[in-house]
Amino acid sequence: ELKVEQNPLFLSMQEGKNYTIYCNYSTTSDRLYWYRQDPGKSLESLFVLLSNGAVKQEGRLMASLDTKARLSTLHITAAVHDLSATYFCAGPNFGNEKLTFGTGTRLTIIP
Amino acid sequence: DAGVIQSPRHEVTEMGQEVTLRCKPISGHNSLFWYRQTMMRGLELLIYFNNNVPIDDSGMPEDRFSAKMPNASFSTLKIQPSEPRDSAVYFCASSDGQGAYQPQHFGDGTRLSIL
Repeated sequence: ELKVEQNPLFLSMQEGKNYTIYCNYSTTSDRLYWYRQDPGKSLESLFVLLSNGAVKQEGRLMASLDTKARLSTLHITAAVHDLSATYFCAGPNFGNEKLTFGTGTRLTIIP
Repeated sequence: DAGVIQSPRHEVTEMGQEVTLRCKPISGHNSLFWYRQTMMRGLELLIYFNNNVPIDDSGMPEDRFSAKMPNASFSTLKIQPSEPRDSAVYFCASSDGQGAYQPQHFGDGTRLSIL
């Protein structure tokens, strides 16, 4: 079964700074998902990355996928407080629709 | 368009009682997933259905847990008898399995506390 590892688990950063969250997965996959969860809330889909080299951007967030390295990154540019949340990556298991979620990265943006 | 609807939002009950969680997926979605989220174990898939048929229930912790999907617009997750270690947030999600790798859409969750 697919294993998904995220790092870091916790990230505290100042407003205006840039940082990257990493998501490694254990078996070949052609797609990768990123979700956001605010405290006490549900998970919201952010990005669906469907092929090697895929890059998607929404505001200050940019996600990319390297299927050969089995690595996805979520880059935060000039962080603002509103981006404070937990971010999850998730990968599909071969042959079915199951998603395996990473442990999440709890991001705190400090003014 | 209404999202995934779960009920109840919160449930507090005593150990040994039966608990039933309910989920209405997004209309037209043919895959439904039940997850459990805890601090210790993170987000775990319990079971998923495709076209109302259970496809993978390998995540169901034990026989005390059961799930049904009698039709395309309704699913239940039942715990009987409940135990304190079942306390968690339970999410239901749905997706359009026919679409090209569409994301799963999550409900607001049921926060379950077993005393």
